[in-house]
Amino acid sequence: NAGVTQTPKFQVLKTGQSMTLQCAQDMNHEYMSWYRQDPGMGLRLIHYSVGAGITDQGEVPNGYNVSRSTTEDFPLRLLSAAPSQTSVYFCASSSPKGLGEQYFGPGTRLTVT
Amino acid sequence: GNSVTQMEGPVTLSEEAFLTINCTYTATGYPSLFWYVQYPGEGLQLLLKATKADDKGSNKGFEATYRKETTSFHLEKGSVQVSDSAVYFCALIYNNAGNMLTFGGGTRLMVKP
Repeated sequence: NAGVTQTPKFQVLKTGQSMTLQCAQDMNHEYMSWYRQDPGMGLRLIHYSVGAGITDQGEVPNGYNVSRSTTEDFPLRLLSAAPSQTSVYFCASSSPKGLGEQYFGPGTRLTVT
Repeated sequence: GNSVTQMEGPVTLSEEAFLTINCTYTATGYPSLFWYVQYPGEGLQLLLKATKADDKGSNKGFEATYRKETTSFHLEKGSVQVSDSAVYFCALIYNNAGNMLTFGGGTRLMVKP
């Protein structure tokens, strides 16, 4: 099993550009989520999904879109990047049976100039 | 809403020293509590968890006891090793939809030989 994979590992964008961060998992987990990690603030939940076709907003959803067309994939879209979105982004997946036990990808480091 | 407060780091210890990282929480009811660890350049991994008051979670020599009277879940280890150098995050369940988590700000531990 590859677990949770994320691409790209690093990305530099200019303000106003758009991009999609990819996330895939091969564990057949129903739940998937996106977090951003900023110094001193821990991880904050952006969007999450409890199954294909179902998404919901987390703590800091503004500026981000998600969709969940398959169980395996959960892409995160930045429609118009802003410097405030400079961060490290983590995707995670979990099973309803594993309370709080999330499996994290290696992260994407995004810089917006 | 739910929130988690951790002691700020970095915490610098010598090998074989005793470790305590404080964590307190604010939440409705009695949420399950978690400690995650992030090694350099990697995503987060679940270290231990406790699902009800007075439960003790333990793993790899680390322990934490769920104290509802003090709303705390402090992480302890009797003898740290250089390999324990990492960032430690305390967390609780974000809401009742899925396994999404609310994290504390993280505490960096550095262990010197």
